[in-house]
Amino acid sequence: SYELTQPPSVAVSPGQTARITCSGDALPKQYAYWYQQRPGQAPVQVIYKDSERPSGIPERFSGSSSGTIVTLTISGVQAEDEADYYCQSADRSGTYGVFGGGTKLTVL
Amino acid sequence: QVQLQESGPGLVKPSQTLSLTCTVSGDSISSGSYYWSWIRQPAGKGLEWIGRIFASGSTNYNPSLKSRVTISVDTSKNQFSLKLSSVTAADTAVYYCARYGGTTQKGFDYWGQGTLVTVSS
Repeated sequence: SYELTQPPSVAVSPGQTARITCSGDALPKQYAYWYQQRPGQAPVQVIYKDSERPSGIPERFSGSSSGTIVTLTISGVQAEDEADYYCQSADRSGTYGVFGGGTKLTVL
Repeated sequence: QVQLQESGPGLVKPSQTLSLTCTVSGDSISSGSYYWSWIRQPAGKGLEWIGRIFASGSTNYNPSLKSRVTISVDTSKNQFSLKLSSVTAADTAVYYCARYGGTTQKGFDYWGQGTLVTVSS
């Protein structure tokens, strides 16, 4: 079955830049999406179509894509950004959805 | 504002069928622009895509769950439902319903708050 791979954890100090990667063989063909999930809450989309930002999401959140790797970048990290982040995409045919394993962002 | 709300039993016995309903407000399932989806998350673990349904009734399921999953839609009530048969403790999770952009390609833009389903005798 198709998988997306994320690092389990990333840690940065406030004000620094956090980068979370997601790799998958079908990413050159399928868009990637990113979701933030705080404890006890439903996920919230922060990036769609690789690099688009939904309304209401701060500009410090950005996304990029290069081949089989997509990256979520959070510039000027704030304490409130501490959360789990999940990438999501589809298999090569676009039939099945898939989530990465999630990355816990810790703000030191 | 689009809102989704899951409902159903919070406790299911092993080997029985888990049944959940998602009620949509602020949008019409019949609009045809979106896939209506189910996602679950065991405690302390990641998100798992279960499957989706289009307004027409066409469905796609996670291959690992396909033999046990049925997703259906009731456009008259603006609801869609999940049935998962032969459940075990491994199916204990928070279950989310969500809207997924088909033609918009905007991904999962609206989620329900989630409902915890525990499989236990």
